[in-house]
Amino acid sequence: ILNVEQSPQSLHVQEGDSTNFTCSFPSSNFYALHWYRWETAKSPEALFVMTLNGDEKKKGRISATLNTKEGYSYLYIKGSQPEDSATYLCAFTNTGNQFYFGTGTSLTVIP
Amino acid sequence: DAGVIQSPRHEVTEMGQEVTLRCKPISGHNSLFWYRQTMMRGLELLIYFNNNVPIDDSGMPEDRFSAKMPNASFSTLKIQPSEPRDSAVYFCAIRGPAGGPGTGELFFGEGSRLTVL
Repeated sequence: ILNVEQSPQSLHVQEGDSTNFTCSFPSSNFYALHWYRWETAKSPEALFVMTLNGDEKKKGRISATLNTKEGYSYLYIKGSQPEDSATYLCAFTNTGNQFYFGTGTSLTVIP
Repeated sequence: DAGVIQSPRHEVTEMGQEVTLRCKPISGHNSLFWYRQTMMRGLELLIYFNNNVPIDDSGMPEDRFSAKMPNASFSTLKIQPSEPRDSAVYFCAIRGPAGGPGTGELFFGEGSRLTVL
């Protein structure tokens, strides 16, 4: 089992604040890194799939960067809104078939 | 649009009973995954199938757990006999088509919440 770590475990921010969190994964045999957004009582939904070192992806106010050499990815949320409240999961794969998930960062945006 | 239907959504059963969880992927795929979500461990991979063939079941906790995929549109996860520590949310997911293995994002069902008393 490969270790994928996310930090912080939980985060409370005020509406309008920008925030970021980290996903750390093994730097050897990298294949892809996924980010998922998981709202309470729903199923995880994909945000980004990243494959290349130095990748930067953006979707609205949310963006992510990838460093495969040192084994980390950052997820940024600019101007947080209450609807951004969710758990953000990253998943690492080294084979393309097995996905190893972190335990997630739980974000609460306070209005 | 890929979709995954899981049933039942909720199940409460007594220790020792057999539990069968079902997964029906709606659209085309070639990989299907069963995950278990607990507070302590987050999302754990139990087993995955490629082209209906089980590839890696090393995540299946014990012999009490078994999974089948008789065709591309249906998979089951069975627990027999069930125990209270099996209580969790069980997710089925498929990997969507993309540039290649690993790049296709996972599409999850809404999960089956199991409570074993």
